[in-house]
Amino acid sequence: EAEVAQSPRYKITEKSQAVAFWCDPISGHATLYWYRQILGQGPELLVQFQDESVVDDSQLPKDRFSAERLKGVDSTLKIQPAELGDSAMYLCASSLPGGPDNEQFFGPGTRLTVL
Amino acid sequence: GQSLEQPSEVTAVEGAIVQINCTYQTSGFYGLSWYQQHDGGAPTFLSYNALDGLEETGRFSSFLSRSDSYGYLLLQELQMKDSASYFCAVRDSNYQLIWGAGTKLIIKP
Repeated sequence: EAEVAQSPRYKITEKSQAVAFWCDPISGHATLYWYRQILGQGPELLVQFQDESVVDDSQLPKDRFSAERLKGVDSTLKIQPAELGDSAMYLCASSLPGGPDNEQFFGPGTRLTVL
Repeated sequence: GQSLEQPSEVTAVEGAIVQINCTYQTSGFYGLSWYQQHDGGAPTFLSYNALDGLEETGRFSSFLSRSDSYGYLLLQELQMKDSASYFCAVRDSNYQLIWGAGTKLIIKP
């Protein structure tokens, strides 16, 4: 069964360091999302791609976060420098383009701890 | 602003029925989705309602009333494996999913 892949699963870093997360969506899924989920809260959309183009990055803290999907397939989310408040689960999801009822398929996430 | 309200925690007994409510206030509305998330796991899709009424999928059903900006998820014949957090999410006018804070369902034997 096709799945969204993410790595690493866990990342511990010190504040002011740079971190990067990788996501490989389900083959054929043109839409890719990066979410941040703080414990006890719902996912918060950081950035949405349609193929290699950014559709929405209004909630992405652009002073420290960046995301790219250069070939319209896999994607990287980077944080530089990391801050204590960035500790959270970072989820990647993908979906087929189209109507609002399209199911989003989530990867296992990367749990980031900033010390 | 946009907001979704759902109870933070619900407790039920194995074999029983439980309803998790969700009220929303968003700019535009294209549909209400429900996702399940086990501790440490990723959200998985359960259901989607775009029109008023009840949608049934096995032991799970989801209801929507657009006039009341309200929906609920109904879980029947509860099993211990249903212990998880349940999120409602609304598609707004920008087609973005706006998520609630989640309801932790605790099931007791």
